[in-house]
Amino acid sequence: QKEVEQNSGPLSVPEGAIASLNCTYSDRVSQSFFWYRQYSGKSPELIMSIYSNGDKEDGRFTAQLNKASQYVSLLIRDSQPSDSATYLCAVKGDSNYQLIWGAGTKLIIKP
Amino acid sequence: DGGITQSPKYLFRKEGQNVTLSCEQNLNHDAMYWYRQDPGQGLRLIYYSQIVNDFQKGDIAEGYSVSREKKESFPLTVTSAQKNPTAFYLCASSSAPRRDEQYFGPGTRLTVT
Repeated sequence: QKEVEQNSGPLSVPEGAIASLNCTYSDRVSQSFFWYRQYSGKSPELIMSIYSNGDKEDGRFTAQLNKASQYVSLLIRDSQPSDSATYLCAVKGDSNYQLIWGAGTKLIIKP
Repeated sequence: DGGITQSPKYLFRKEGQNVTLSCEQNLNHDAMYWYRQDPGQGLRLIYYSQIVNDFQKGDIAEGYSVSREKKESFPLTVTSAQKNPTAFYLCASSSAPRRDEQYFGPGTRLTVT
């Protein structure tokens, strides 16, 4: 059973600090990794995708991938109250188009 | 504006009734998906379709049915055989060159009593 694990949280971070979200996955052959943000009562929104080892930066967001250790992380710099949401990690499985989803980490940014 | 629409936003049904959830996209995406989300759980795939007139079962297809007669439409029917139908239903789509990147509609919250 392929799995994606995330700490459910809540993770509480002061405004302006760096929020660090982590995700581990069980399938060694996974090639594609995604972070989605989901506000309460809303649908997930894709914020980062990463396909190779290392860091990928987009504005205040940085995704980090370490395939050897089978983890992917998301850093949010200069955290804002509007970043308060649940962050879902998704990993491409071995069948076409199928993503395996973590249960999400709830992030709370305290003003 | 390009996007994915789902209707209705909230749906209430009595047990024993079938109900159809709508999903339409004007992104010209080839692939479409249906997920179910329950509190505290990850998204679970119900069905997906890569091309018109073809679809595959996901992990939890029992009690659900779909059709893909048009590229832009992928309706989901929740049948009376689905034991716990109350959930948040999400439709998504994707296309080349980034087929793995899925984009979601706003969702339909179904309550069955």
